Amino acid sequence: AQSVTQLDSQVPVFEEAPVELRCNYSSSVSVYLFWYVQYPNQGLQLLLKYLSGSTLVKGINGFEAEFNKSQTSFHLRKPSVHISDTAEYFCAVSHSGGYQKVTFGTGTKLQVIP
Amino acid sequence: EAGVAQSPRYKIIEKRQSVAFWCNPISGHATLYWYQQILGQGPKLLIQFQNNGVVDDSQLPKDRFSAERLKGVDSTLKIQPAKLEDSAVYLCASSSRGGGLFFGSGTQLSVL
Repeated sequence: AQSVTQLDSQVPVFEEAPVELRCNYSSSVSVYLFWYVQYPNQGLQLLLKYLSGSTLVKGINGFEAEFNKSQTSFHLRKPSVHISDTAEYFCAVSHSGGYQKVTFGTGTKLQVIP
Repeated sequence: EAGVAQSPRYKIIEKRQSVAFWCNPISGHATLYWYQQILGQGPKLLIQFQNNGVVDDSQLPKDRFSAERLKGVDSTLKIQPAKLEDSAVYLCASSSRGGGLFFGSGTQLSVL
């Protein structure tokens, strides 16, 4: 079975400061990894994904994430946040083979302070 | 390219009533998912279809929830009878292989 742990339920950060949202996963096989963003009263939107290849993945809105297999982590980073980045962020994992059941973490609420 | 369409957007019912949600995935996406998202929690997979076959329904409460995917395209999720704890947002998503999930706007269900 696969699982995802997002240790921080809320992360407050000042505008234009850097931010890192942490994600650790557990799986006995090769995985795909994803970050999604959910703005208030909206569905989830894919930010970025790791399937294979380069461990540093760049996504939309200036976000990036690094896959670290030895630490089973996939932390999300942005060098300078904006007010508009205030949202909830979900890390997700699926097996790279089979029917790709996608399991989500519990989410991290990013609050950008003006 | 049209996104994942869901309806209705909101639904309020009383406990023990029935309710149905509809989803139209992105054209060509073989995999369709229904997730339940309770306030303050991450999405929980209820059922996953590959074309019109079920590949995972291990977390679907089968005594009250049912789902079908007609001709491998549209899907409906039904709850009968509803309980208070079913209050949640029901998200439909679709994907092509390795592409990540594309979500609809969801249906917010309130059971009174």
